[in-house]
Amino acid sequence: DQQVKQNSPSLSVQEGRISILNCDYTNSMFDYFLWYKKYPAEGPTFLISISSIKDKNEDGRFTVFLNKSAKHLSLHIVPSQPGDSAVYFCAARGSGGSNYKLTFGKGTLLTVNP
Amino acid sequence: EAGVTQFPSHSVIEKGQTVTLRCDPISGHDNLYWYRRVMGKEIKFLLHFVKESKQDESGMPNNRFLAERTGGTYSTLKVQPAELEDSGVYFCASSQDRGTAGGYTFGSGTRLTVV
Repeated sequence: DQQVKQNSPSLSVQEGRISILNCDYTNSMFDYFLWYKKYPAEGPTFLISISSIKDKNEDGRFTVFLNKSAKHLSLHIVPSQPGDSAVYFCAARGSGGSNYKLTFGKGTLLTVNP
Repeated sequence: EAGVTQFPSHSVIEKGQTVTLRCDPISGHDNLYWYRRVMGKEIKFLLHFVKESKQDESGMPNNRFLAERTGGTYSTLKVQPAELEDSGVYFCASSQDRGTAGGYTFGSGTRLTVV
């Protein structure tokens, strides 16, 4: 039973445009959400995160939005660059005793075309 | 600082054989995690060490998998005997604090293929 879902296996956008990657979760106990980027033959690298007490967090070209009532988050990349082409994983974790365990989605392959 | 190092990067073994994966965390990181990604699926938690102690091994698939962390430094993950369904990429990660806001530092992974 997948608790974190990324329903789009792939996304293709033009350089300079906005990339929007979506993620849904089912577990109400999740209270912290992270996005990781992964290049081929490398491990996931942390990109940006958001706590459930916020609805937006911004870091340069990357913004994560959280809609807690809909159990939905999204990652916006503006403007998209060819170097952003990678697999993006959404991850979530609970609080307290289980705050070390990340639950990941299946990932979305983003391709940014020059 | 040096990152999380995993080796081998690739391993191809026959069904029934034994394989040992190794992870060297970032120096000083007490927390060490193992995750696995089976092809086309999500990255799944396997277990968590704090120093040399296993805190949570609820994600270990079965008793063919054995993880150790000698002296709270490097960790090994042994699969014995390996089965076809064990194929996938095994990631190790480490962090100084659990639940850190910045997430964990992952290694590049070991791609295990069981034939």
